[in-house]
Amino acid sequence: DTAVSQTPKYLVTQMGNDKSIKCEQNLGHDTMYWYKQDSKKFLKIMFSYNNKELIINETVPNRFSPKSPDKAHLNLHINSLELGDSAVYFCASSPAPGGYTFGSGTRLTVV
Amino acid sequence: GESVGLHLPTLSVQEGDNSIINCAYSNSASDYFIWYKQESGKGPQFIIDIRSNMDKRQGQRVTVLLNKTVKHLSLQIAATQPGDSAVYFCAEQTGANNLFFGTGTRLTVIP
Repeated sequence: DTAVSQTPKYLVTQMGNDKSIKCEQNLGHDTMYWYKQDSKKFLKIMFSYNNKELIINETVPNRFSPKSPDKAHLNLHINSLELGDSAVYFCASSPAPGGYTFGSGTRLTVV
Repeated sequence: GESVGLHLPTLSVQEGDNSIINCAYSNSASDYFIWYKQESGKGPQFIIDIRSNMDKRQGQRVTVLLNKTVKHLSLQIAATQPGDSAVYFCAEQTGANNLFFGTGTRLTVIP
């Protein structure tokens, strides 16, 4: 069983579209995250979320929004996609506090 | 904010040699450090961690050293194998706050 699973693995879409990436964890962790990895491999936190608190990195545009239907899921919605949104997006989860377990990533390409 | 950096963006080693990957961090309040390995097309995978009350921690073929005086972290890989080729990230955490990643070092093992 995959501990943290993301879908889709690849996503190609046109500028201006709205898209979602799904994430599910079966580890029973309290906190989930979204990270963005750019072309230079730099990993940057976007959001962290548990059932009590959403923490947003202030540099993330408000076109990005996390949605958590339950403790095991944290989906990422992106509105009005831009070319600069092209990157690999990683979902992760952790016990609070503790080491993170990452998903395998979603490569988003905006054309 | 935190700043975690690496001295070398790339490292090439002969198979069987030992590898040392270095990392500098700037937040003296960070109390938890993790090394991650990221293979092509995959998410970061936990290798080894260390808390700030320790100077050294050993795993299977890997050792992490922490020097809090100069805010330096290193990952040593013994008898490097082709399967060790990947990008390695150090990450730091302060209390229950988010994990912040360094730039990454690409390790290439030459057969």
